[in-house]
Amino acid sequence: GENVEQHPSTLSVQEGDSAVIKCTYSDSASNYFPWYKQELGKRPQLIIDIRSNVGEKKDQRIAVTLNKTAKHFSLHITETQPEDSAVYFCAAPKGGYSTLTFGKGTMLLVSP
Amino acid sequence: GAGVSQSPSNKVTEKGKDVELRCDPISGHTALYWYRQRLGQGLEFLIYFQGNSAPDKSGLPSDRFSAERTGESVSTLTIQRTQQEDSAVYLCASSLNRGPNTEAFFGQGTRLTVV
Repeated sequence: GENVEQHPSTLSVQEGDSAVIKCTYSDSASNYFPWYKQELGKRPQLIIDIRSNVGEKKDQRIAVTLNKTAKHFSLHITETQPEDSAVYFCAAPKGGYSTLTFGKGTMLLVSP
Repeated sequence: GAGVSQSPSNKVTEKGKDVELRCDPISGHTALYWYRQRLGQGLEFLIYFQGNSAPDKSGLPSDRFSAERTGESVSTLTIQRTQQEDSAVYLCASSLNRGPNTEAFFGQGTRLTVV
């Protein structure tokens, strides 16, 4: 099955700094890599995703990069703001479009 | 509403009792997932339903856990003889899971407390 490793488990940055969260996966057939943000006491929500036919995708201050050869993908947040503070989860499916396996999460704390 | 709905939102039960948690997926979503999230922890996969295919039960932690789904509608997660370690938020998610439409939408969760 799919094994997803996520690092770091916690990340503290100053407002305005960049934050990078990294994930590795094991199933070479995986072709869809979403990132979810979970604010305290709320449900996880998709913030960005990338498919295996591209190496990078950007949406304003967030971007995701994918290296299929190395089987890792990363979330980049630039110009961080206090409202970016949350737990971020990466995920990958077990081969193609099926069960999503999540990483253990990264708690991002942005200090003003 | 158009989102994933779970009930109850909170459940307190005595150790040894059975509980049933309900999930109403987004209409038309063929895939449905159950995850468990312990306090401060990640999302632990429990079970996955995809249309009329046999469910992926590989994440169920013990035979006290079971889940059902009829077609592409409501799902129920049942925990028998609850234990204190079952205390967690149980999250349900659904997705279209057809081609590129694989975003999983989560419900608000059921917070289960076993006392």
